[in-house]
Amino acid sequence: DQQVKQNSPSLSVQEGRISILNCDYTNSMFDYFLWYKKYPAEGPTFLISISSIKDKNEDGRFTVFLNKSAKHLSLHIVPSQPGDSAVYFCAFPYGNKLVFGAGTILRVKS
Amino acid sequence: DSGVTQTPKHLITATGQRVTLRCSPRSGDLSVYWYQQSLDQGLQFLIQYYNGEERAKGNILERFSAQQFPDLHSELNLSSLELGDSALYFCASSVVGGSLQETQYFGPGTRLLVL
Repeated sequence: DQQVKQNSPSLSVQEGRISILNCDYTNSMFDYFLWYKKYPAEGPTFLISISSIKDKNEDGRFTVFLNKSAKHLSLHIVPSQPGDSAVYFCAFPYGNKLVFGAGTILRVKS
Repeated sequence: DSGVTQTPKHLITATGQRVTLRCSPRSGDLSVYWYQQSLDQGLQFLIQYYNGEERAKGNILERFSAQQFPDLHSELNLSSLELGDSALYFCASSVVGGSLQETQYFGPGTRLLVL
């Protein structure tokens, strides 16, 4: 049941540049959208969210864009920093659970 | 530090055995969730407890069971272990649960290796 797809398993970006992580979903019932970040040996940490009534939400260097008609979510990190190197998951609250994508490994090179 | 604690951090056991994973939620959180992350898979929801009662069930095998105690800590019991049960098991907590905009806070996980 692949409701969520993060098609890029990994992404490598130079420090200071923009990182763009993408996520596609199929379930039109999803109404709220999240990004989580995960460092090795730690649990996922909530990063940023967006409601379906918006198409953009900004929090410092992180911006999430939502294209509901395309069922596409993206996370922009500008400027990227080495400390941003982590696994990024898109996630969707559905009932009482979160449905996660498989994750994208981001490496920011200094 | 999310405030969610999980023990043990690592567990190595043999096929056919039974193990118990423990989770203490953030102070004040009533809901506890269990997720499994296998190799090459995203996190898969297993089960949710709210204030001691099971609230939602996901892809949890019949060999697995969970409970939440009066002090709100939770245990996930895995029995008749198979090689494929090797995974990271995460516990998360939230204040109530069931609200779209309520953040789930994750513990550091327990890495289970079944040999």
